[in-house]
Amino acid sequence: AQTVTQSQPEMSVQEAETVTLSCTYDTSENNYYLFWYKQPPSRQMILVIRQEAYKQQNATENRFSVNFQKAAKSFSLKISDSQLGDTAMYFCAFMTLGAQKLVFGQGTRLTINP
Amino acid sequence: KAGVTQTPRYLIKTRGQQVTLSCSPISGHRSVSWYQQTPGQGLQFLFEYFSETQRNKGNFPGRFSGRQFSNSRSEMNVSTLELGDSALYLCASSPTGTTGMNTEAFFGQGTRLTVV
Repeated sequence: AQTVTQSQPEMSVQEAETVTLSCTYDTSENNYYLFWYKQPPSRQMILVIRQEAYKQQNATENRFSVNFQKAAKSFSLKISDSQLGDTAMYFCAFMTLGAQKLVFGQGTRLTINP
Repeated sequence: KAGVTQTPRYLIKTRGQQVTLSCSPISGHRSVSWYQQTPGQGLQFLFEYFSETQRNKGNFPGRFSGRQFSNSRSEMNVSTLELGDSALYLCASSPTGTTGMNTEAFFGQGTRLTVV
């Protein structure tokens, strides 16, 4: 079974700083997807970024980028120029290719301070 | 395009009762998944439906069941409610639900179920 571990329950940074959230996972699969989801106080889960395991290039979406280390089974999220609106719970998630089922980490509560 | 719609948003039930939650996916999406979110267990996968068939099931007791209709709308039912069933229930829809590029899951705002 796949597992996802987020070792940082809470993080706090000042606005405009860069912050990195950590995620490790365990799987015997070779092809899979990794995701970072954001859940603000409104409870809506919003996809931040996704990475296909077969792609060596790290995904980027504006201020959000990932550091995907397949051999180490590590998938960290970097948020540059952080904004107050980035305050939320962030979940790392894994999906096996061909199975529409997400396995989530426990989440990291990120607070951006003005 | 309308997002994933879950109804009701909030629900209070008594132990032993049953409850039905509804999820309307994004138009054109055929895969609907359900997740339970609690402070203690985090986000856990319940089941996934595609074209009215359950394709995947999580590790939950048989009191948790679901179905999907021909218009892709899905319902989730919990019978004989227990206090531990209090949670946020999230529904997600996906464009294809098959292997390929469109594996992104779009979530609704959830139904907050409180069992007293």
